[in-house]
Amino acid sequence: GQNIDQPTEMTATEGAIVQINCTYQTSGFNGLFWYQQHAGEAPTFLSYNVLDGLEEKGRFSSFLSRSKGYSYLLLKELQMKDSASYLCATNTGFQKLVFGTGTRLLVSP
Amino acid sequence: GAVVSQHPSWVICKSGTSVKIECRSLDFQATTMFWYRQFPKQSLMLMATSNEGSKATYEQGVEKDKFLINHASLTLSTLTVTSAHPEDSSFYICSARVSGRASDTQYFGPGTRLTVL
Repeated sequence: GQNIDQPTEMTATEGAIVQINCTYQTSGFNGLFWYQQHAGEAPTFLSYNVLDGLEEKGRFSSFLSRSKGYSYLLLKELQMKDSASYLCATNTGFQKLVFGTGTRLLVSP
Repeated sequence: GAVVSQHPSWVICKSGTSVKIECRSLDFQATTMFWYRQFPKQSLMLMATSNEGSKATYEQGVEKDKFLINHASLTLSTLTVTSAHPEDSSFYICSARVSGRASDTQYFGPGTRLTVL
């Protein structure tokens, strides 16, 4: 079966750092994706991890531990525009993505 | 690159009518496209995988006769919601996998919001 867990909501202040965790249990694993989705819009690709370790891309970094079934997305220097939902998704093979329920992040001044 | 468009962006229809949603890859060829549905405050649920030139593969619980998918070319897939009912009201999003990329990154269209009265 497929099971992906993320916190439902998180709040943070502008300029701060926030870490969004994702744990997964899937029958197949071929990489983990993070997407950002603003309300009423389609998801936009943020990052992809297939090997263990940290991938840094500007203000956003993503970490993966395959042995622990764990990933996190780290957002630095938070801006108001970062208020959005962040979706963790695993590639289970056969080109399919399985999405978590998403974490709604609210950034306040 | 890797731009995906959807049309229409929103549609309101009466119960019992059919609605067609188009998904196009604008600057690349997509042998595989995916159709998702998203209800308010929920995550994306994969409905079906659309393969160019062959029948779509539907996820468990998705009625293939109700959600007709056609992938006639490498840049166009269509989803037709037949005999739509209010419970079909949702945000429908397509995505396309860029051929040849090992990461299987999917690029999403802007979505179509369907409201069935």
